[in-house]
Amino acid sequence: GAGVSQSPRYKVAKRGQDVALRCDPISGHVSLFWYQQALGQGPEFLTYFQNEAQLDKSGLPSDRFFAERPEGSVSTLKIQRTQQEDSAVYLCASSFGNTGELFFGEGSRLTVL
Amino acid sequence: GIQVEQSPPDLILQEGANSTLRCNFSDSVNNLQWFHQNPWGQLINLFYIPSGTKQNGRLSATTVATERYSLLYISSSQTTDSGVYFCAVERGSYIPTFGRGTSLIVHP
Repeated sequence: GAGVSQSPRYKVAKRGQDVALRCDPISGHVSLFWYQQALGQGPEFLTYFQNEAQLDKSGLPSDRFFAERPEGSVSTLKIQRTQQEDSAVYLCASSFGNTGELFFGEGSRLTVL
Repeated sequence: GIQVEQSPPDLILQEGANSTLRCNFSDSVNNLQWFHQNPWGQLINLFYIPSGTKQNGRLSATTVATERYSLLYISSSQTTDSGVYFCAVERGSYIPTFGRGTSLIVHP
């Protein structure tokens, strides 16, 4: 696609529900990143994929967070048993090579009640 | 990990004024990017500038890698320049680290 696409743009979940956030990167981009951005803060790294391989997941805050990119294109970030502290904007970015210019999607804003 | 500090944290300008935003980083980097996050939350690429100077219209950026800083210049600011400006650096791990940003408000 022309740009990085994320869905849903907005998600309201009740505490304890599971959510899934989708990222469709720019076609042909090898690298894919998930970031979490709390209000008034900079984006914080969650996880990184190179093609279908998850090379770094050190930023995932707990084992309730899980990400996958099974065919090396679309990625899904899943949060199980959501908590209020999970409320944030989840940003997806992709880049052409292993390193290089990042392009971001519009983000998915998650609110946990 | 690498530390990224941006200054000033907040900036208020009148339309037409010029400004300089700074990004300091604690170690050598392979890559550096400047982004503008608009009021709707979208991160827009401004510059990919691991070293040297680039210009794009009213905006320009300079990175002095040996002294571990980068500057973003905004000239003749407009209300549409309002938002948060982030720099992000990458040092060998393929994973960009962001600063906390500079929040800019441009009044008409």
